[in-house]
Amino acid sequence: GIQVEQSPPDLILQEGANSTLRCNFSDSVNNLQWFHQNPWGQLINLFYIPSGTKQNGRLSATTVATERYSLLYISSSQTTDSGVYFCAVEGAAGNKLTFGGGTRVLVKP
Amino acid sequence: GAGVSQSPSNKVTEKGKDVELRCDPISGHTALYWYRQSLGQGLEFLIYFQGNSAPDKSGLPSDRFSAERTGGSVSTLTIQRTQQEDSAVYLCASSWGLEQFFGPGTRLTVL
Repeated sequence: GIQVEQSPPDLILQEGANSTLRCNFSDSVNNLQWFHQNPWGQLINLFYIPSGTKQNGRLSATTVATERYSLLYISSSQTTDSGVYFCAVEGAAGNKLTFGGGTRVLVKP
Repeated sequence: GAGVSQSPSNKVTEKGKDVELRCDPISGHTALYWYRQSLGQGLEFLIYFQGNSAPDKSGLPSDRFSAERTGGSVSTLTIQRTQQEDSAVYLCASSWGLEQFFGPGTRLTVL
């Protein structure tokens, strides 16, 4: 099946800093989503981005499908950005999301 | 509008007992998914329902796990004869197109 790798596994930021999270995947995808898992365990949809670039406030994402990677940018980080960020993809066979291992982000005040 | 809801939010059971977990998808969503999040295995797919088609059960870890979806809406995940390794957060998601939206999960603890 499709493989998804996220880096780095852990990230510590000072409030106000910028950061880039990376997601590599092993095959063509129909769907790619970025999620933020909050401290209560809820998966919050950040982006649906199988290709191209999107922005939402301080967050933006870019997926280069031909090179099989996606990047999530966090600008001017805030303590509320802390949590685990997951990349998940749906391969051409469809029917399910395969998740990466996540990037745990801690933003310090 | 309302998101995906799941019940109960927490369930503690004894080894060997059966449990039922419920998922109410977003109204109008035709696809429904169950996933499991555990410390050792990360987030993994369990089962997928799409309309009236036969479900994709390829992620179910054993025959103790089963799921049904009634009337194309509510779904129930049943785990029979629970084992300690079944302890995890069980997440439900639904979609209309490709983008999936997740519920808050049910935390299952098997003692």
